[in-house]
Amino acid sequence: DGGITQSPKYLFRKEGQNVTLSCEQNLNHDAMYWYRQDPGQGLRLIYYSQIVNDFQKGDIAEGYSVSREKKESFPLTVTSAQKNPTAFYLCASTPGGRGGGYTFGSGTRLTVV
Amino acid sequence: AQSVTQPDIHITVSEGASLELRCNYSYGATPYLFWYVQSPGQGLQLLLKYFSGDTLVQGIKGFEAEFKRSQSSFNLRKPSVHWSDAAEYFCAVGGVNFGNEKLTFGTGTRLTIIP
Repeated sequence: DGGITQSPKYLFRKEGQNVTLSCEQNLNHDAMYWYRQDPGQGLRLIYYSQIVNDFQKGDIAEGYSVSREKKESFPLTVTSAQKNPTAFYLCASTPGGRGGGYTFGSGTRLTVV
Repeated sequence: AQSVTQPDIHITVSEGASLELRCNYSYGATPYLFWYVQSPGQGLQLLLKYFSGDTLVQGIKGFEAEFKRSQSSFNLRKPSVHWSDAAEYFCAVGGVNFGNEKLTFGTGTRLTIIP
């Protein structure tokens, strides 16, 4: 079955470390998104990509970086510049431009220790 | 700018009772509207969506929603809730602009079911 796979499910980061969250999809979707979820704040857009080798900042891009070298993959790096990285991170995809809504992965919970 | 308001942070209903979750949106054109459900520690699952046409849309798990343009609302309903419906529900609004589809989500409504 097609879907989005996020890994790992749980991730722990020490102060000053960069960590990378994986997102892979086999839906042949063009567009991919990264959201951050905090209690009571809903989903906030970090980065999105409509095509390979191109991506745009969302509403809260500071302290994060992404790459889109393959259509199937959209990894998110949480850098040491992100001062409050503890959150639940969700990756999503859509065929692109057809208004079908997003398909979401199961998320990665990142905790700073 | 597009925005979504879910005025109820937390709702508690008895099993078997009816349910209505409220959603109000702001969007400059005809919106695409969605309802998603999220179980704890999981991703979001699409319940239903509205693009155009019939303003009453049916979704999975027995849910339905009604689009009311005059009220800028897209409320989610279920005639009789089951304990398994306990989850967080998100309304989203968006559209396709220059080939880019971008959704804005509300802050969610947490649903608790009591026996």
